[in-house]
Amino acid sequence: DGGITQSPKYLFRKEGQNVTLSCEQNLNHDAMYWYRQDPGQGLRLIYYSQIVNDFQKGDIAEGYSVSREKKESFPLTVTSAQKNPTAFYLCASSMGMGSGELFFGEGSRLTVL
Amino acid sequence: SQQGEEDPQALSIQEGENATMNCSYKTSINNLQWYRQNSGRGLVHLILIRSNEREKHSGRLRVTLDTSKKSSSLLITASRAADTASYFCATDSGYNKLIFGAGTRLAVHP
Repeated sequence: DGGITQSPKYLFRKEGQNVTLSCEQNLNHDAMYWYRQDPGQGLRLIYYSQIVNDFQKGDIAEGYSVSREKKESFPLTVTSAQKNPTAFYLCASSMGMGSGELFFGEGSRLTVL
Repeated sequence: SQQGEEDPQALSIQEGENATMNCSYKTSINNLQWYRQNSGRGLVHLILIRSNEREKHSGRLRVTLDTSKKSSSLLITASRAADTASYFCATDSGYNKLIFGAGTRLAVHP
């Protein structure tokens, strides 16, 4: 079945550590996105990628980094520079920018201890 | 920045009743989308309405769009306990950079 797989589902991190969240899709989609969700709030865009080897900052990119070396993969690294990293992270993809519907993964919940 | 603002923030109804959620936005849009999120899960796309459309149906869902008022509504008819979830509107002002609202939490009681 086609879809988006995020891992891990839950992650605990000590302050000062970098962590990488995985996002893999087998939908053959060109565009991929990372969103952050905090309790009671909507989703905020961290980074997005329209095509392999290209990505752009979203609204809250500070303290995060991404790569897009393969069409299927768009990992997100939460660096120690991110001041408040505890959140629910959602990866999504679409056929292309402006193509409408986003397909989401099941999310990764990061807790900083 | 949040473009879409849902109203109400929370809604509690009985099974069989209709649920109406509203979304207001600030700038012109290409389309507006509604998503559903079960607790602790990813979002699922429900329906997309383009700026030149006024109403759209999908099963028990009815979405309206009023671009003059910059508002949209989502109506779920004959609600079921399984409809319990958070519902988000998302506006696309171009390039598929969706901007999501804070959502409406719907609770449907048996």
